[in-house]
Amino acid sequence: KAGVTQTPRYLIKTRGQQVTLSCSPISGHRSVSWYQQTPGQGLQFLFEYFSETQRNKGNFPGRFSGRQFSNSRSEMNVSTLELGDSALYLCASSLEASSNTGELFFGEGSRLTVL
Amino acid sequence: SQQGEEDPQALSIQEGENATMNCSYKTSINNLQWYRQNSGRGLVHLILIRSNEREKHSGRLRVTLDTSKKSSSLLITASRAADTASYFCATDWNNRLAFGKGNQVVVIP
Repeated sequence: KAGVTQTPRYLIKTRGQQVTLSCSPISGHRSVSWYQQTPGQGLQFLFEYFSETQRNKGNFPGRFSGRQFSNSRSEMNVSTLELGDSALYLCASSLEASSNTGELFFGEGSRLTVL
Repeated sequence: SQQGEEDPQALSIQEGENATMNCSYKTSINNLQWYRQNSGRGLVHLILIRSNEREKHSGRLRVTLDTSKKSSSLLITASRAADTASYFCATDWNNRLAFGKGNQVVVIP
């Protein structure tokens, strides 16, 4: 069974640009959660999608958005990039909604550097 | 804000020793989980303990949960160099899985 796949693994952008990150969950998983990880703030919850609907959203500005497709693949987008957006973006999938199901399965992350 | 906080935040031990990490949380929970992360990679689930359980074992891992103190501990026995990683606790909070800031454990061969 293939794991959670995130693309791209590494990317470099400049301030003001926008970026789209992709996440393919484990087959059969309906929930995809996104986290931002930085040395200072740790793992911060961005949002969760379940059956194509945003189920929950963390405390991030509107520049951070996401969506989920009918095949459960998810994308997140960050517009007007700032230096502080440099981080490891982690995607995790689960069978059911994350707070109900227990274990999350994480991808290897997309490391974004903003110059 | 984060729900969980681990203590201590950095631990360096010799191979074969035990490593203990603690985690505290603020609100009532249904379950608490521990995850491991190797050097900036994805997190890997280690163990889940439910609120009505006090202790759980999985291989060399032992987790305890004290809901009255809102705290949990993770014990890794007979540590190996491969256990070098960051360890995070996570709780179901506000309809999400909320993670603590993590413990960095270095096992010296």
